[in-house]
Amino acid sequence: DTEVTQTPKHLVMGMTNKKSLKCEQHMGHRAMYWYKQKAKKPPELMFVYSYEKLSINESVPSRFSPECPNSSLLNLHLHALQPEDSALYLCASSQTERAGTGDYGYTFGSGTRLTVV
Amino acid sequence: AQKVTQAQTEISVVEKEDVTLDCVYETRDTTYYLFWYKQPPSGELVFLIRRNSFDEQNEISGRYSWNFQKSTSSFNFTITASQVVDSAVYFCALRSGANSKLTFGKGITLSVRP
Repeated sequence: DTEVTQTPKHLVMGMTNKKSLKCEQHMGHRAMYWYKQKAKKPPELMFVYSYEKLSINESVPSRFSPECPNSSLLNLHLHALQPEDSALYLCASSQTERAGTGDYGYTFGSGTRLTVV
Repeated sequence: AQKVTQAQTEISVVEKEDVTLDCVYETRDTTYYLFWYKQPPSGELVFLIRRNSFDEQNEISGRYSWNFQKSTSSFNFTITASQVVDSAVYFCALRSGANSKLTFGKGITLSVRP
């Protein structure tokens, strides 16, 4: 299995809702990432988990709360979002946080298209 | 600091034409890794190639080829005999040194017309 699976593919939520995005990989990768991508822009790093511990938080607002319950699963909990948070949320994984050394870098999922109304 | 510049924003070609996508990078590290990704309308980022800073050998994979030149800090991507299925946004990306962050260029939207 060489895929990163993200669910749901599409999500519409109100500003008072609580929802979660899910990301799963079974490649034995120990680093997992959340990226946010606005339309016609490149992906921007949000969080990095390494061996199930939060390694990097790129000053993301607290209404986004990541969680890594185990080495295969990464969640992003959403609460009290704003319309400007509407974007494509991409999950990625790599063998370790130092991706690129001796492996093929990062594997990305197909993303969750989030619309906040 | 690391930076990736993709000066071209949109390119439109007719099927079977060759097209080159430019990528210029900046980093102070001597160890770094360069990537190209394809993003079709479905949204998934599809890995195309990875190159490390110690390997300047150019690579060819089918209709795709990459030209890595450290002297000009460039890592250009050429598609030979383009096809409609090549239509997508193409991102060049850089990870350098001990930094685990992948820095993307702004992307190039390639449209291949029949």
